[in-house]
Amino acid sequence: AQSVTQLDSHVSVSEGTPVLLRCNYSSSYSPSLFWYVQHPNKGLQLLLKYTSAATLVKGINGFEAEFKKSETSFHLTKPSAHMSDAAEYFCVVSDQTGANNLFFGTGTRLTVIP
Amino acid sequence: DTAVSQTPKYLVTQMGNDKSIKCEQNLGHDTMYWYKQDSKKFLKIMFSYNNKELIINETVPNRFSPKSPDKAHLNLHINSLELGDSAVYFCASSQWNGYTFGSGTRLTVV
Repeated sequence: AQSVTQLDSHVSVSEGTPVLLRCNYSSSYSPSLFWYVQHPNKGLQLLLKYTSAATLVKGINGFEAEFKKSETSFHLTKPSAHMSDAAEYFCVVSDQTGANNLFFGTGTRLTVIP
Repeated sequence: DTAVSQTPKYLVTQMGNDKSIKCEQNLGHDTMYWYKQDSKKFLKIMFSYNNKELIINETVPNRFSPKSPDKAHLNLHINSLELGDSAVYFCASSQWNGYTFGSGTRLTVV
């Protein structure tokens, strides 16, 4: 079975400071992992994805994530937060079967303080 | 050119009614899905369809029925709506190279 755990339901940072959103995964095989962002009352936007290539994955809007097999982690980072980064962030794992279903974490709400 | 489009965007209806949400994708993807996002923002798979065949049906009440007239469409019918059905429903499609989500349908049952 595959699942992800987002360790923080809410993270608050000041504008211009680094962002760290934590995610641990559980999978019986080499996983495909994703980070999605959802702005208030909006749909889901893919930030980045890991599919067994380079362990450091760069995404849109300056975000990146590092796949660490030894720690079963896939934390999302950004060097400097912007006000527009305030949103809900979801760590996601794919089951990689024929259905390719996605399993979402419970989400982390990022607040950026001016 | 919207890749995955859902209609309607908002739907308010009374308990006991029957309603449908439509989804269409123009990406040529083989697999389509319905996901439900509850009031706590948790997203969960409801159905997957691959080439018009139902692949997986999670523990979803049989009041919910997906219907796929062709590979590009996956509609969601809901009978006898209940208050607990209030949520945002996302349609999605996928191919080997990635997933695309629709913008969601906010269903409110009153």
